[in-house]
Amino acid sequence: GAVVSQHPSRVICKSGTSVKIECRSLDFQATTMFWYRQFPKQSLMLMATSNEGSKATYEQGVEKDKFLINHASLTLSTLTVTSAHPEDSSFYICSASGGIGPHNEQFFGPGTRLTVL
Amino acid sequence: AQKITQTQPGMFVQEKEAVTLDCTYDTSDPSYGLFWYKQPSSGEMIFLIYQGSYDQQNATEGRYSLNFQKARKSANLVISASQLGDSAMYFCAMRGGYQLIWGAGTKLIIKP
Repeated sequence: GAVVSQHPSRVICKSGTSVKIECRSLDFQATTMFWYRQFPKQSLMLMATSNEGSKATYEQGVEKDKFLINHASLTLSTLTVTSAHPEDSSFYICSASGGIGPHNEQFFGPGTRLTVL
Repeated sequence: AQKITQTQPGMFVQEKEAVTLDCTYDTSDPSYGLFWYKQPSSGEMIFLIYQGSYDQQNATEGRYSLNFQKARKSANLVISASQLGDSAMYFCAMRGGYQLIWGAGTKLIIKP
C-alpha cells in the first residue's frame, strides 16, 4: 500500500509554456502533500506544502505565481510551472502523508524530470 | 535550528563489504524521527529505515541497520554485505514538525 504516482515522468517543453504535473495518492487519503525540487547531485529542496482544500504554504524564495499548487482532493495535487524558462529545468518530486504508515512518514512519487528548451 | 549533516559526498566500497554512511543531526526537540532514503539513478526515493528518538533499540531492516547514538546526535546507516544494486545516493532526513529536514546526501558506489 501507500503508493504515490506522478505524471508525467518526463516532459520537455518550450520556453514560455506552462507545464502541469500531477501527484496522486493511489490507495490512501493524503491530507498533506509536499512538492520538492532537486537539482543534479543535490538534495531535495522543499518548495511548498499543501493541505486538501486550502492554499499551499510556500517556502521562502519560491515564487507563488510561478509555481501554482492546487490540492483539490484528498488524492490529487497538481503543480503548474507557469511560463517556464530553462532555469526551471529540474527534477520535481511530490510526496504525500495521511497519518498512515508505521512512522507517519511521507510517501514519495517517482518524480518528474522537466526540461525547458 | 534543526539541521542534518552528511559529511561524505561520495564513497567507494568493494562489493560484499559493509559500509557505514554518516549522519549527524541537530535539534532541540526531545521528540524527533530520523529517516534514511535511497535514491537510485532513476530518481525515486526509497525508504530504508526509521529511528525514533525514544526508541530504545537501534532500528534494523534486513541488511540495513541504524547506529543511533543519541548523546552524540548521530544516526549512521550501516549496510551489511553490500551489493552492486546498492550503488545510489543516500539521504538522511529528520522529521521537524510536519516537514523533513534533509542532509546533502552521500553518493555510494559499489565496486565489483
